[in-house]
Amino acid sequence: DAKTTQPPSMDCAEGRAANLPCNHSTISGNEYVYWYRQIHSQGPQYIIHGLKNNETNEMASLIITEDRKSSTLILPHATLRDTAVYYCIVRGNSGGYQKVTFGIGTKLQVIP
Amino acid sequence: GAVVSQHPSWVICKSGTSVKIECRSLDFQATTMFWYRQFPKQSLMLMATSNEGSKATYEQGVEKDKFLINHASLTLSTLTVTSAHPEDSSFYICSARVGTSGPLEQYFGPGTRLTVT
Repeated sequence: DAKTTQPPSMDCAEGRAANLPCNHSTISGNEYVYWYRQIHSQGPQYIIHGLKNNETNEMASLIITEDRKSSTLILPHATLRDTAVYYCIVRGNSGGYQKVTFGIGTKLQVIP
Repeated sequence: GAVVSQHPSWVICKSGTSVKIECRSLDFQATTMFWYRQFPKQSLMLMATSNEGSKATYEQGVEKDKFLINHASLTLSTLTVTSAHPEDSSFYICSARVGTSGPLEQYFGPGTRLTVT
């Protein structure tokens, strides 16, 4: 799996957009970018994933650069409940033995 | 949809005893389930992968005789921590894979906090 690099921590003012970057310069053509988050003492929560095109759902938007070497997760209007550790993961979709491996993620602190 | 539950949510046991943690996919069939362990202020560490009806595949460094995994049905996997010791105290999280092909969609349970005294 391609390795990802994320800043260890970020702050964001409540109500503002939170932009969380992720570098995955060794990503290969068939690998997807996934984002999960983990609120303290809870299991990880799936947020969004994408391959090439930008994606948007009710939780967030995912912007993937044209060369796919980096991406940004955007929470358009951050709330205090968005305070969590955000994990960017790159994984292929082939093969029957598939697993999600977590790095250290970005600890997002939403400030009132 | 895609809800994964774990039971119990927390457990305290004495050193030397065994503890069983259940992981259930409530509204879908999970052909593959994963077990993770998370120590305080650390990331999740994958322990093992289990496919329904077959033996689990353990990550390097994880003792298969200590952490027994049974995936007997498409909606239930269990992790048994045998002869627990205080160093086994951790947050155990399971996840379930939806489908067998296409983009990976993996949903996580709420976790089980194990404290061994």
